[in-house]
Amino acid sequence: NAGVTQTPKFQVLKTGQSMTLQCAQDMNHNSMYWYRQDPGMGLRLIYYSASEGTTDKGEVPNGYNVSRLNKREFSLRLESAAPSQTSVYFCASSGSGTGREKLFFGSGTQLSVL
Amino acid sequence: SQQGEEDPQALSIQEGENATMNCSYKTSINNLQWYRQNSGRGLVHLILIRSNEREKHSGRLRVTLDTSKKSSSLLITASRAADTASYFCATLAEGGSYIPTFGRGTSLIVHP
Repeated sequence: NAGVTQTPKFQVLKTGQSMTLQCAQDMNHNSMYWYRQDPGMGLRLIYYSASEGTTDKGEVPNGYNVSRLNKREFSLRLESAAPSQTSVYFCASSGSGTGREKLFFGSGTQLSVL
Repeated sequence: SQQGEEDPQALSIQEGENATMNCSYKTSINNLQWYRQNSGRGLVHLILIRSNEREKHSGRLRVTLDTSKKSSSLLITASRAADTASYFCATLAEGGSYIPTFGRGTSLIVHP
């Protein structure tokens, strides 16, 4: 049982380049999330998707776009990367009802923007 | 913005000792959760305590919640080197969205 799978694990970009972070879950969860983690800042929510076909902004959405491709997949796109987007990115998912409260996380993508 | 704030930021203990970390929050909550993050890995859910509960146990973990003080504590008894990790509290605001807000975490090092 893979849970939440993120790709790639590591990425180095130059300022202005674009890329898409991929996330897939195999737990039939309705909700999916993208967080970024910076030293001393904890986790901050970028975007989330309550169900297939819906997406909403979180705390720090600027510079990012998302796509909920289907129930399994939720991608995060950086259209024009900036050094301020150097961070570790985590995808997470959660179920329905009271199961929605507990998040399952992927292992993260470490992104460096030079 | 962070709802929960963990204290201390870092904790270093010997194997076999107990580890206590605290979380304070600002607004009324539905529940509070604790997650563990091993180095280079994603967060793993440990335990959830609801606003009408005062104490909860799971194996060597004991969580307390004091809603009057807006604080929670996580106690790990008889710590092991494998408990070395960062621990985060996450709060779910009352009447708000279902998405938990994470604190900055406590880094725990357990020396063998």
